[in-house]
Amino acid sequence: KAGVTQTPRYLIKTRGQQVTLSCSPISGHRSVSWYQQTPGQGLQFLFEYFSETQRNKGNFPGRFSGRQFSNSRSEMNVSTLELGDSALYLCASSRSGGLEDTQYFGPGTRLTVL
Amino acid sequence: AQKVTQAQTEISVVEKEDVTLDCVYETRDTTYYLFWYKQPPSGELVFLIRRNSFDEQNEISGRYSWNFQKSTSSFNFTITASQVVDSAVYFCALISISSGSARQLTFGSGTQLTVLP
Repeated sequence: KAGVTQTPRYLIKTRGQQVTLSCSPISGHRSVSWYQQTPGQGLQFLFEYFSETQRNKGNFPGRFSGRQFSNSRSEMNVSTLELGDSALYLCASSRSGGLEDTQYFGPGTRLTVL
Repeated sequence: AQKVTQAQTEISVVEKEDVTLDCVYETRDTTYYLFWYKQPPSGELVFLIRRNSFDEQNEISGRYSWNFQKSTSSFNFTITASQVVDSAVYFCALISISSGSARQLTFGSGTQLTVLP
């Protein structure tokens, strides 16, 4: 069974630009979560989608948005990039979004903002 | 509020030594799940184990073992006879009923384990 895939793996952007990251969950998984990882703040929750609905969002500005498609694939978008958005963005999927479900992570997209 | 503390920032051991990674958590909930993930240099978080708050039975899986103690709010992870391939950052994480349907993991800051040959 294929794992969580994320594209692209690496991105270099300049301040003010926008970026879209993609995540394909494990087959049969309907919940997708996004996390940002930085050396200073560690791993922080961005948002979670289930059945195309955003169920919760972490403490990030409105420049960070996402969506989920009917096939459970998810995208996140960051507009008006800032230097501080440089990070590893990790996507995780789980089967049904239940509390007991395990989240399985993809390899991440490393975003560098210049 | 939930919190996970991994006081050990970096640990360095010589191959074949045993090493224990500490994790202390805080939650007001009685129903919660604890996790350990491993992050090798490639960046992907690899799931290692999940334990729920009602199951304090310790577990051994090969060279890995976990010690869950609710009385001290700790969920420690031990690698026996460490190998160079164990070198990675290890994260402890918590999710509880307060998260509701949010599926929001709260992570510790991670412990960088370096196993020297």
